[in-house]
Amino acid sequence: DAGVIQSPRHEVTEMGQEVTLRCKPISGHNSLFWYRQTMMRGLELLIYFNNNVPIDDSGMPEDRFSAKMPNASFSTLKIQPSEPRDSAVYFCASSLVGQGEAFFGQGTRLTVV
Amino acid sequence: KQEVTQIPAALSVPEGENLVLNCSFTDSAIYNLQWFRQDPGKGLTSLLLIQSSQREQTSGRLNASLDKSSGRSTLYIAASQPGDSATYLCAVDNTDKLIFGTGTRLQVFP
Repeated sequence: DAGVIQSPRHEVTEMGQEVTLRCKPISGHNSLFWYRQTMMRGLELLIYFNNNVPIDDSGMPEDRFSAKMPNASFSTLKIQPSEPRDSAVYFCASSLVGQGEAFFGQGTRLTVV
Repeated sequence: KQEVTQIPAALSVPEGENLVLNCSFTDSAIYNLQWFRQDPGKGLTSLLLIQSSQREQTSGRLNASLDKSSGRSTLYIAASQPGDSATYLCAVDNTDKLIFGTGTRLQVFP
């Protein structure tokens, strides 16, 4: 398996624009997580899905953030409208419920100017 | 609310030393604990996973221990090498989601 695949790897956008980050989990995994990493706050869990269903979105900072998982092999994290303080590295991870070991993608470095 | 702390925040050592990185957590009702490595500008690489019923796991020069009752885990790195330089993160899973510590930034110099 190619591991967790995220796209794009880098994104630079202007304030106010919509940004969509994409994630393909490891085949067979049934949990998917979106994290955000900044120097100030470290790794923060934004939202996670079990079997394509959002379980906990308490980490989503504002209504500008939304996430979907339309099927077991694809998820998106959308920010609309984007703001400079959203600049961070966004990671997607997947795992098998009950087995625990999580595998991370390479991340998307988002810069909002 | 689960809180995870890692000590020290940064560590710089000469090559060949044996190291201990510490991780503590406030809620001992965990499913497992995982140690990761992160190189600058890169993603996270899983190093070791310790299930709640286990006391330790080993992989090569790495050994991780878990003491649930005291809310602690240690990552032991034997005979450190410059290639071990990275940030090491521990994460606990107690509700099917991983909560991360802030990491230990390790530099091993030749």
